[in-house]
Amino acid sequence: GAVVSQHPSRVICKSGTSVKIECRSLDFQATTMFWYRQFPKQSLMLMATSNEGSKATYEQGVEKDKFLINHASLTLSTLTVTSAHPEDSSFYICSARFLGNTEAFFGQGTRLTVV
Amino acid sequence: QKEVEQDPGPLSVPEGAIVSLNCTYSNSAFQYFMWYRQYSRKGPELLMYTYSSGNKEDGRFTAQVDKSSKYISLFIRDSQPSDSATYLCAMSARNAGNMLTFGGGTRLMVKP
Repeated sequence: GAVVSQHPSRVICKSGTSVKIECRSLDFQATTMFWYRQFPKQSLMLMATSNEGSKATYEQGVEKDKFLINHASLTLSTLTVTSAHPEDSSFYICSARFLGNTEAFFGQGTRLTVV
Repeated sequence: QKEVEQDPGPLSVPEGAIVSLNCTYSNSAFQYFMWYRQYSRKGPELLMYTYSSGNKEDGRFTAQVDKSSKYISLFIRDSQPSDSATYLCAMSARNAGNMLTFGGGTRLMVKP
């Protein structure tokens, strides 16, 4: 299957700082990328959908000023958690899909801990 | 009622057993059906992808879709301890931009 690389896999940051998570499609052009949040023992919660070159579409209840998503190229999307708080601590996962495809391929996930 | 229902488990089986994982759904527009495997603290990995009704086999894994019953299954033959993970079903409809709707996941434990 197609490879999606997510970096970093783990990050610890201080409360009030910002953290950037990168998601790269390594062997295909990702026309659409998705960002999810996952709490322990729960399923994936879609945060936002981004199409290359356009603004991300955020799900209801997700603060777009707090979770900044950039999809500037067909192989890279970034999620920046701004002014992080301990309640933002979670597992963040990206996935990518290429044009004409219905399956989505996932990155390895990033465990964010805000202290 | 959730759009996609999946028993959270945990499902515990002995090594070598046949495992049956299932999801039910309510949206008749779903056409594409996927099974993902997620190990602890890792991203989901696509296992099986099927379109519309029918069966699909890949090694020890068989995916079944019964659209008339709105029911999908994943069978794992000769289960191994390395199959211990959470299995997520996902489905999408073309008229919804093919956005994935996930089940809650079933945690499987295969004991040696």
